[in-house]
This record gives sequence, C-alpha cells and structure tokens, in this order.
Amino acid sequence: GQQVMQIPQYQHVQEGEDFTTYCNSSTTLSNIQWYKQRPGGHPVFLIQLVKSGEVKKQKRLTFQFGEAKKNSSLHITATQTTDVGTYFCAGPNSGYALNFGKGTSLLVTP
Amino acid sequence: EAGVAQSPRYKIIEKRQSVAFWCNPISGHATLYWYQQILGQGPKLLIQFQNNGVVDDSQLPKDRFSAERLKGVDSTLKIQPAKLEDSAVYLCASSRAGGQYEQYFGPGTRLTVT
Repeated sequence: GQQVMQIPQYQHVQEGEDFTTYCNSSTTLSNIQWYKQRPGGHPVFLIQLVKSGEVKKQKRLTFQFGEAKKNSSLHITATQTTDVGTYFCAGPNSGYALNFGKGTSLLVTP
Repeated sequence: EAGVAQSPRYKIIEKRQSVAFWCNPISGHATLYWYQQILGQGPKLLIQFQNNGVVDDSQLPKDRFSAERLKGVDSTLKIQPAKLEDSAVYLCASSRAGGQYEQYFGPGTRLTVT
C-alpha cells in the first residue's frame, strides 16, 4: 500500500535559522496536505497542494509539490519559537482517507 | 463555527477492560475519521465514515475495536477488551468530503492502558 516518508525525523535550530522538511510517497498522489501539531495538541491543517510543480507561500512558510507528484517539501524561513511542533505531510489513499508520514519534529531555541 | 468535540479527554483503564470514546464533528461535515496516534508517530487511520456508512475500516482491529456513526452525525469508538498496546491518543477528524478537502481534528482522547 501507499507509504509516506518524511525526513528528517527531528530538527533543532536556533531562532532565525531556516528549516526544511521533505516528504516522499511510494505512489503518485492526487494531492498532498500538510499539518502542524504543537506539543500536546492536535494536528492543524496548513495547506493542500494539488498541481504538479505547485508552490505556495504562507508568510515565512513555502510549500512545494514535486513535478511527479510523489514528493513535497516545507521550508520555513527565519524560524521563530512559535514554529515549534511536528510537521506532518499526508497523502490520500484510494478511499481519500489520509496516510500520514511520521512527521518532522522542529525545536527552535531562542 | 464550533470545532470537532471529543470526550473524554483522558482515560486510564486496566487491560482487558472496555472503553468508549465519543466524537461530535463539525456541523455539515459528511466525512468522519477516527485515527490512532502512538507517541512519536503520525496519525494512523482506523475507520472512515461517509455519512453513516463505512468507507474504510481496513486498519481497524475488528476483534476488539468497533465504531458506529448513528444518524450520520456523532460517532463512538469502542475498545473491548483493551490491551497495553492500545495506549495512544485517539483523534477524531471531520471534513466536508473525502481526502480532497482538509480535515479538522478534535483535541483527542489520551488512553492509558495499565
């Protein structure tokens, strides 16, 4: 079945440094979604990418969907302590339920 | 709009006991999901409902887990009997439709089985 893999598993940065997490799917995706989960919280939707090669920005966050629609990335410019949390990518299976990656946990120290 | 509601927020039980979780999705959301999230991992789908019908329950351990969504609104997830490895956070999510739309998650129920 479809698998979604994320790297790195953990990332520790100093405030102000950039951060990137990568997501790879074993199959071509119709779309990919990104979620953020703060420590002790629940996943919160960030964005959905649908088109091949799509790039979307949300303030300091840049999301990309690969040309083959099998990989994606999230880049945060100049991290802040509010960016702390775990970032998950998720791709729909044949029934449209989401398969989540294991996530990348970001720790930002001031 | 009100978010996804779940109860209880925390539950501690002994192995072999039973437990039930409740979820009320966002009003008007046809699709409801139950996920299991073990510490350090991403949410894993247990069951997906479209209105009151089951779309996907392929990863639900049916010998001990059951779920229902009566009248296509609220849902309950039950575990009977519980095992130690069932210790996890159980998340309920809803969306307007299937995976083409974003999912809204509830706060989750943290289950500890001793």
